[in-house]
Amino acid sequence: GNSVTQMEGPVTLSEEAFLTINCTYTATGYPSLFWYVQYPGEGLQLLLKATKADDKGSNKGFEATYRKETTSFHLEKGSVQVSDSAVYFCALGSARQLTFGSGTQLTVLP
Amino acid sequence: DAGVIQSPRHEVTEMGQEVTLRCKPISGHDYLFWYRQTMMRGLELLIYFNNNVPIDDSGMPEDRFSAKMPNASFSTLKIQPSEPRDSAVYFCASSLALSSSNYGYTFGSGTRLTVV
Repeated sequence: GNSVTQMEGPVTLSEEAFLTINCTYTATGYPSLFWYVQYPGEGLQLLLKATKADDKGSNKGFEATYRKETTSFHLEKGSVQVSDSAVYFCALGSARQLTFGSGTQLTVLP
Repeated sequence: DAGVIQSPRHEVTEMGQEVTLRCKPISGHDYLFWYRQTMMRGLELLIYFNNNVPIDDSGMPEDRFSAKMPNASFSTLKIQPSEPRDSAVYFCASSLALSSSNYGYTFGSGTRLTVV
């Protein structure tokens, strides 16, 4: 079946540091890939997505590239801010439903 | 659009009591999902509906849990009787399509349930 494996957290960075959160997946067919963000006390919000191999999703300075050869969709940001502190979920979309990873807690210190 | 609206935001109840969580999806969305989030188990899909019909309830933990969608703009998740291990944040989400090729899910802000 489909599955998503995320880098375990928590991750703590200083402001302006470079961020990478790893995500790999197992799926049949050609799934879509997503990153969701959950700020404290809120629901999940779609951050970015990619629908086919080599697509790059981007939003708010975050980027992720759909790599079919390595079955990966790593999230990156060049310079994080305190306001980026949240839980980040990688997700895989198939014909059935979204499959979520376990989430990675990010804390950015000033 | 106001997004997916859930109520209440917080619920504290005693063990054995009935609890009802409510959700209003985004107008026009055909799919509605109920998720549960805990530290131990992460985000779990409980049940989803398509055009008000329950399609997959394999994630519902046990018979104490039930969900209904009487019309396109309203769904409930009921726990009767509630137990302390049901304490979690419950999210409702809606979507234009089950296949997420071009659509993500829109989540509500969740209901934090505490059973004492």
